Amino acid sequence: DQQVKQNSPSLSVQEGRISILNCDYTNSMFDYFLWYKKYPAEGPTFLISISSIKDKNEDGRFTVFLNKSAKHLSLHIVPSQPGDSAVYFCAASANNFNKFYFGSGTKLNVKP
Amino acid sequence: ETGVTQSPTHLIKTRGQQVTLRCSSQSGHNTVSWYQQALGQGPQFIFQYYREEENGRGNFPPRFSGLQFPNYSSELNVNALELDDSALYLCASSSGGLAGNTGELFFGEGSRLTVL
Repeated sequence: DQQVKQNSPSLSVQEGRISILNCDYTNSMFDYFLWYKKYPAEGPTFLISISSIKDKNEDGRFTVFLNKSAKHLSLHIVPSQPGDSAVYFCAASANNFNKFYFGSGTKLNVKP
Repeated sequence: ETGVTQSPTHLIKTRGQQVTLRCSSQSGHNTVSWYQQALGQGPQFIFQYYREEENGRGNFPPRFSGLQFPNYSSELNVNALELDDSALYLCASSSGGLAGNTGELFFGEGSRLTVL
């Protein structure tokens, strides 16, 4: 039962342009969302989070948008840099921080 | 500040054997979660420990068990290994409790288990 879905396994973007990574969820009880970045042979590292009381959160080049009615969130990276090339996971939790559901990831390739 | 460390980084076992994976949480964190990441998939929640007690469990059979020690380090034990247990096992620590819990998980690099 895949409660968090990332339907694009991969995305290729030119350096300097915008990268948009998408994530959909099915559980309306989810109220906290995070994005993680993972390089090969490393553990996932936290990027940015958003609570369901907000619809946007910004941190430098990274912005996460949340559309609760559509059960959709997206991560925007502007401008994209080659060092951003990694696998990006979205994750969601409900009511507490006990258990996170992760999507299957999107592999971003930023071309120089 | 010491990050999350896991051991061993790689190991190979055969079906039916038992395995113990270890995790040291980040300094100041009292909560440890374990995740299984199969190839091409996202991490799947196994269970979480908070102050040495299990604090939630995912859809994994009882042969997956764990422990948390007074220093908040943790072990994941898997008995009667099956081929499908081959995966990257990730440990994540966080600051649980009532206040100041951002929910952010700090992951280790993982232990890659291969079951033959």
